[in-house]
Amino acid sequence: DAKTTQPPSMDCAEGRAANLPCNHSTISGNEYVYWYRQIHSQGPQYIIHGLKNNETNEMASLIITEDRKSSTLILPHATLRDTAVYYCIVRVDNNNDMRFGAGTRLTVKP
Amino acid sequence: DVKVTQSSRYLVKRTGEKVFLECVQDMDHENMFWYRQDPGLGLRLIYFSYDVKMKEKGDIPEGYSVSREKKERFSLILESASTNQTSMYLCASSLPSLGGPGRQYFGPGTRLTVT
Repeated sequence: DAKTTQPPSMDCAEGRAANLPCNHSTISGNEYVYWYRQIHSQGPQYIIHGLKNNETNEMASLIITEDRKSSTLILPHATLRDTAVYYCIVRVDNNNDMRFGAGTRLTVKP
Repeated sequence: DVKVTQSSRYLVKRTGEKVFLECVQDMDHENMFWYRQDPGLGLRLIYFSYDVKMKEKGDIPEGYSVSREKKERFSLILESASTNQTSMYLCASSLPSLGGPGRQYFGPGTRLTVT
């Protein structure tokens, strides 16, 4: 699976959009981009995933560049409860596990 | 909603004890996983299972074994607990990808302390 690079930490003001970047320059054509988050003392939670096209669900939007070498997770109106570690994972579509890196620690401030 | 439950949130055991961590999922998922999470090291895969009685080693299987006798239950066993196995243990389950992307559902975690 391709490796990912994320900033270790970010801050965001409550009510503003949080834009979390992820670089995956070695991504292969059959690899998906997944985003999970982990709120303190809880298990990771799936947020969204995509292959080529931008995706949106009730939690977030995922923007993938045309060359697929990077992506951005967007939380449109961040709340204090969105404070968590966000993981960007690139993986092929098979039965294997998820390889979690260090992620980005997002702190939403009042 | 998929529910993944783990037998204990907090557990304290002594060095040399045999420890069982239980995980149960209620959505008939074929795949189940055990991870441990340590500060600065992220999540690391210990073992996973694609089906009943099947198991595969992950990245750090040493000192652990697993058991999957029923589809909904995946147990992690520490044969002789050691202090370096003090960690947060996370269980997850997922459907097979079957040509479409899969996603994992995690339990709340068990924080194990070995003294």
